[in-house]
Amino acid sequence: GQQLNQSPQSMFIQEGEDVSMNCTSSSIFNTWLWYKQDPGEGPVLLIALYKAGELTSNGRLTAQFGITRKDSFLNISASIPSDVGIYFCAGQLDTGNQFYFGTGTSLTVIP
Amino acid sequence: DGGITQSPKYLFRKEGQNVTLSCEQNLNHDAMYWYRQDPGQGLRLIYYSQIVNDFQKGDIAEGYSVSREKKESFPLTVTSAQKNPTAFYLCASTSGRGRGNQPQHFGDGTRLSIL
Repeated sequence: GQQLNQSPQSMFIQEGEDVSMNCTSSSIFNTWLWYKQDPGEGPVLLIALYKAGELTSNGRLTAQFGITRKDSFLNISASIPSDVGIYFCAGQLDTGNQFYFGTGTSLTVIP
Repeated sequence: DGGITQSPKYLFRKEGQNVTLSCEQNLNHDAMYWYRQDPGQGLRLIYYSQIVNDFQKGDIAEGYSVSREKKESFPLTVTSAQKNPTAFYLCASTSGRGRGNQPQHFGDGTRLSIL
């Protein structure tokens, strides 16, 4: 299957700092999704992107669909303790029905 | 409220047993998916179904089976042929048969352990 490279693998930041993470693929995607997963729970959709260059915000979260259609970025501004969790990117090819997932970025926010 | 319900939350299996994980959705979604998640790893696709009575293997289908007799339901059976079944299993669904710019939504997962 498709491999999505997500980085960084983990982050430890102070409360109030901004966070950036990204996801890259070797193939062109028509959809990029960003999820947050808390321990023992299912992933919750944060932001969905459907067009190259698209920049979408959801509160303190902002995500972008890369111009090359092979990457996507997620930024979290002014982090707070409840931002702790694992963030996953996911993408879908132009052809096919599958979604492919990155390996996740584990975020720890230190109060 | 509309959503995806997985049950049970925790499941224990003895060696050699088959077990079935339930996934029900009332979102009227056409496509449903099963993923396996291992510690520190991303989600790997087991099976997916775009419409009733049709399903396709994902990347790690060996040792698993599914059925899609109703639009709302997509149960996953972990058979005795799956030698390493301990994992967190996630069910997801999306509208538009899985295409057409629609995101996936997930249930809360079932954690399967071997006794």
